[in-house]
Amino acid sequence: AQKITQTQPGMFVQEKEAVTLDCTYDTSDPSYGLFWYKQPSSGEMIFLIYQGSYDQQNATEGRYSLNFQKARKSANLVISASQLGDSAMYFCAMRETGSSNTGKLIFGQGTTLQVKP
Amino acid sequence: GAGVSQTPSNKVTEKGKYVELRCDPISGHTALYWYRQSLGQGPEFLIYFQGTGAADDSGLPNDRFFAVRPEGSVSTLKIQRTERGDSAVYLCASSLGPLDANEQFFGPGTRLTVL
Repeated sequence: AQKITQTQPGMFVQEKEAVTLDCTYDTSDPSYGLFWYKQPSSGEMIFLIYQGSYDQQNATEGRYSLNFQKARKSANLVISASQLGDSAMYFCAMRETGSSNTGKLIFGQGTTLQVKP
Repeated sequence: GAGVSQTPSNKVTEKGKYVELRCDPISGHTALYWYRQSLGQGPEFLIYFQGTGAADDSGLPNDRFFAVRPEGSVSTLKIQRTERGDSAVYLCASSLGPLDANEQFFGPGTRLTVL
């Protein structure tokens, strides 16, 4: 069964430093997509970045990049130059697009990131 | 343009009561999803609509939960005989299609509290 694992319940980072949030996944489907969402204390889920399983290059979006290691089934999020506004809960999610075409997302448990001034 | 909206933002009810939660997706989005997020957890999938039909309801926890999308736009999640364990934030999301490469756009959620 598909599964997302985020092993870091909480992380601290100094402002302006880079931080890596870990995510591993398990699926038997050769075709899938990986997402990262940010959830601030207001509760809304904010899309950050997407990586397709067949994408040759790691995805980047501004200060966000996804370190995709397919053989290890990991999709870590790297945030460069952390800002105080980055303090939030971060969720890794997976969508299978092969055998299942519903598009539903499977989420990990989340990592709380706190940026220190 | 307007994003996904959900009403009410907060709902407090008593055990055993019936509740309805509403979701207005982004105009033109055919795919609509309901998720439930318990405190300190990631969202869990409940049901997916493609157009008017529920294409996947495998995440509904039991038959007290039901959802409709009669005209392929607004969706209502209905919970009968609510229990304290139903307390959670209910999130709605929409996308252009189920396999759209980009994100599902999430609404702000409805926080349901069952006393």
